[in-house]
Amino acid sequence: AQSVSQHNHHVILSEAASLELGCNYSYGGTVNLFWYVQYPGQHLQLLLKYFSGDPLVKGIKGFEAEFIKSKFSFNLRKPSVQWSDTAEYFCAVKGTDKLIFGTGTRLQVFP
Amino acid sequence: SAVISQKPSRDICQRGTSLTIQCQVDSQVTMMFWYRQQPGQSLTLIATANQGSEATYESGFVIDKFPISRPNLTFSTLTVSNMSPEDSSIYLCSVRGPYNEQFFGPGTRLTVL
Repeated sequence: AQSVSQHNHHVILSEAASLELGCNYSYGGTVNLFWYVQYPGQHLQLLLKYFSGDPLVKGIKGFEAEFIKSKFSFNLRKPSVQWSDTAEYFCAVKGTDKLIFGTGTRLQVFP
Repeated sequence: SAVISQKPSRDICQRGTSLTIQCQVDSQVTMMFWYRQQPGQSLTLIATANQGSEATYESGFVIDKFPISRPNLTFSTLTVSNMSPEDSSIYLCSVRGPYNEQFFGPGTRLTVL
């Protein structure tokens, strides 16, 4: 069965700090990987996705993620966060037809 | 990306009653998905709704509690039946895009007293 784990439940950073949010998945076959973001009071938005090809994918707002197949990981990164990045971040995996979400990481960025 | 709307956006309901949530998409889609996001938790898939066939429910969710309709390729409803406070949650409709990505509606925030 598919599963997704996000190790960081709550991250607090100052503006301009670098960000890395961990995501590991469990699934034996080919996967599609996603990061979604939910800003306060807003609905879920797709940040970036990996289907195949270059394992380093770039998304919106300066975010990127790297798929490391040997580690079953898809960590999200941003070199310099902004206050406006304060949000909940969800990693998700699609193996068969289902999109399965991790528990989410709450990011707070202070000016 | 698909534009998804949901009604109502929020509701407060009494224990034992039922609420039907509507989901409308601006394009025809084969598969529609219903998720639940309980307070402080992640999203859990309730069921997959295909047009013209019965919905497929995930483990822990049953049709009697969460009946789903899918009358056409742009619309679906989810009913939360015989509600209890444990059903208080955000319910989200989702559709799959042409490149296998998934888009989400704004959600329906349900509070059961």
